[in-house]
Amino acid sequence: AQSVTQPDIHITVSEGASLELRCNYSYGATPYLFWYVQSPGQGLQLLLKYFSGDTLVQGIKGFEAEFKRSQSSFNLRKPSVHWSDAAEYFCAVGARAGNMLTFGGGTRLMVKP
Amino acid sequence: NAGVTQTPKFRVLKTGQSMTLLCAQDMNHEYMYWYRQDPGMGLRLIHYSVGEGTTAKGEVPDGYNVSRLKKQNFLLGLESAAPSQTSVYFCASSYGGTGINSNQPQHFGDGTRLSIL
Repeated sequence: AQSVTQPDIHITVSEGASLELRCNYSYGATPYLFWYVQSPGQGLQLLLKYFSGDTLVQGIKGFEAEFKRSQSSFNLRKPSVHWSDAAEYFCAVGARAGNMLTFGGGTRLMVKP
Repeated sequence: NAGVTQTPKFRVLKTGQSMTLLCAQDMNHEYMYWYRQDPGMGLRLIHYSVGEGTTAKGEVPDGYNVSRLKKQNFLLGLESAAPSQTSVYFCASSYGGTGINSNQPQHFGDGTRLSIL
């Protein structure tokens, strides 16, 4: 069975600092990987996805993520965080059948002024 | 441009009561999903549907039923609500397909916050 681990429950960074959110997955085949962001009281919005090809993928809002098969990781990065990035971030791995997603527990990002 | 719409947004129930959560999508998506979100556990799949008239169990289906009578609607029912079902419920939809068309991103509604006393 597939699983996703986000080791950091909470992260606080200063505005303008760089950010890296960790994601480790377990999946028996080539994974389909996603990062979603959830603002308070809202649903989940897709930041970026990895299906195949280039292991560094670019997303919306200046985010990027790198797929590392050898480490079973798909870490999310942003070079300079803005106060509006404060939210909860979810990593997910997708199954081929039924397009089902398995989510990690989420990382809540707080941004200090 | 509505996307995925969930009703109601909030609801408080007493133990043993029943209710139905409605999800509607206007994107002509084949696949629809119901998740529950609990602190520290991310989103867990309750049931899903790969097309009109079909449903399947997800990771945590017990205590819930679903129906997909129309392509654009996916209903989640609680027959006898329990306090353990207090949660935020999210509906999502996506294109179906296989191969390069598979694993299209899921689009989420804004959630239904359900409290069971």
